[in-house]
Parts: sequence; structure tokens; C-alpha cells
Amino acid sequence: EPEVTQTPSHQVTQMGQEVILRCVPISNHLYFYWYRQILGQKVEFLVSFYNNEISEKSEIFDDQFSVERPDGSNFTLKIRSTKLEDSAMYFCASSLLSGRFSSYEQYFGPGTRLTVT
Amino acid sequence: DAKTTQPPSMDCAEGRAANLPCNHSTISGNEYVYWYRQIHSQGPQYIIHGLKNNETNEMASLIITEDRKSSTLILPHATLRDTAVYYCIASLDGSARQLTFGSGTQLTVLP
Repeated sequence: EPEVTQTPSHQVTQMGQEVILRCVPISNHLYFYWYRQILGQKVEFLVSFYNNEISEKSEIFDDQFSVERPDGSNFTLKIRSTKLEDSAMYFCASSLLSGRFSSYEQYFGPGTRLTVT
Repeated sequence: DAKTTQPPSMDCAEGRAANLPCNHSTISGNEYVYWYRQIHSQGPQYIIHGLKNNETNEMASLIITEDRKSSTLILPHATLRDTAVYYCIASLDGSARQLTFGSGTQLTVLP
């Protein structure tokens, strides 16, 4: 069964450093997302991406964050200058317009645990 | 998107049906009801969704009341691997909609 994959599974970085989190969405999906979950808290939406541009973004997704689809398979989240409060699990998701409904069930990857020290 | 309300926790005996309720009294006519679950720090997993009619797939059944103000997710024969946080989310259709996760229901399946 196709699945979303994410690398690395765990990333440790120092405050102020740049990190790039990588995702390979399901191959025929058209919509891509990033969410994050701080330990013990809710899953929070960051950004959605379609047709090579951002569709929606939350207040969390400020100028320190960027997304890119550099080739036909990868989808990346970059944090330019990490802060302690960026420590969280980051989940990538992808979706495809369903033929049955005008709805978009999202399929999530296993996540990357980012630890900022 | 409409707010949803779920009980914080529920227990269910292994092999029995787990019935997880969700209240979405302010849901609008074009909002779908989605159910996801998250097994201990893994990525959320899509379970099922519906608009008006009851739905069933290989994982679960979704019962939506006629007035659409509430719904119930049914896991017909719960196993220990179904222990997870279950999220009920109301979301408009349309392109690339964000999912707004609440606190969900922690379902514990007991042996």
C-alpha cells in the first residue's frame, strides 16, 4: 500500500541553525501539507501546497518557514533559524481529490522528531 | 469549520464494538465529518468520512444523525491495536483544506 515517507526520523539541531525536513508524498497525490505536534499538545496545521504554491498557511508558518517541491517526488519544509520552541514532531501529509466525494482525505507520514537544543 | 466535541476518554473490551461519539451541532450543510486516529506519536491515520449518509469501510462505520448534529464512529470488533486517540473533524470540502485537530478521545481497548 502506498505511503508517505519522511526523513530523517529524528533531527537534533542547535538553536539558530537551519533544518530541512523531507517528505515523499504518495506518488499520484496533488496536495501536500505540513503539520506539527509539540509534545503533549494538539496536532497543528502549518501549510498546504498545491500546484507549486502555498494554498493555505497558519499563523505559525511565519517567515522562518518555507516549503518547496524541488522535484517530482520530494516535498520539503525548511526552518531558517530554529528556536527552542520549534521542537516538535513534524508530520507531512498528502491528498488526492476523491472521485466519490469532493473531499480530500489526507494521508500522513510517520513524522520527524525535531529537537532544538 | 464547525467545532466538534468529544469525550476525553473511553474504554472498550477487546472484541467488543467501540462506539465513539462526536457532537458537531453547528456543522454547516457542506461540511464533511472526518475521523482520524493517532496511535501513540505516530502520524494521524485517516479512518472514514461522510456528509449525510452512513458510511462503512474496512476499518469502521460512521453513523451520522439525520440532523447532522452528531455522529458515531463504530469499530465493530476492537483490538488492542485500536488503542489510540480518535479525532472527529468537521471540514468544508474544497481544495487543500487544513484539518483542525482537537483533543480527541483516548480510546483504550482492554484485554
